[in-house]
Amino acid sequence: EIVLAQSPGTLSLSPGERATLSCRASQSVSGNYLAWYQHKPGQAPRLLFYGASSRATGIPDRFSASGSGTDFTLTIGRLETEDFAVYYCQHYDSSSVTFGPGTKVDIK
Amino acid sequence: QVQLVQSGPEVKKPGASVKVSCKASGYTFTDYYIHWVRQAPGQGLEWMAWINPSGGGTNYAQKFQGRVTVTRDTSINTAYMELSRLTSDDTAVYHCARVIAGATTYGYWGQGTLVTVSS
Repeated sequence: EIVLAQSPGTLSLSPGERATLSCRASQSVSGNYLAWYQHKPGQAPRLLFYGASSRATGIPDRFSASGSGTDFTLTIGRLETEDFAVYYCQHYDSSSVTFGPGTKVDIK
Repeated sequence: QVQLVQSGPEVKKPGASVKVSCKASGYTFTDYYIHWVRQAPGQGLEWMAWINPSGGGTNYAQKFQGRVTVTRDTSINTAYMELSRLTSDDTAVYHCARVIAGATTYGYWGQGTLVTVSS
């Protein structure tokens, strides 16, 4: 089973700043089966990207995602107040699903 | 529009079982897998299981093998997750989620069901 590590654990930034979040897999992710979610308290998670870099419907273009193999990145170009949340990466294959531990982006 | 509506909060005693429902609407129920994901207080997201509503095939995370059962009733477009032998560690919000076309990622989520296990 692939294990995902996310860094940093917490990212303290101000609105307007750029956020760079990392997700590292314990082994190569085949087919780039890697997704990113945004999760706010009391809400269901929101899909941001799948297939490592395919933007989900309705996701603003200040969000971008890239990566392959074992290293993946989610970037938020200019943080807006509604972007402060926890972000999870997720790996999926034919038999299992795993989530990373999350990166909390909070207001500095 | 796609909607997943879950059953209400539950309070259970240790050792009991809980069954959470997830009613789907706005799409053909048998066309997309339904997964179950939980989040314990202060913890991250944890995948538990999936079900193929078409044939009923299931797959469970190793951690929950033997304790979780997912089923569906296609006549009422509803999926169920039953977790047995509950302990306080099972206190969590349980979500059902529907995959998107072509990828095992969750484009649609239920609102979550809080299950509290307490003596």
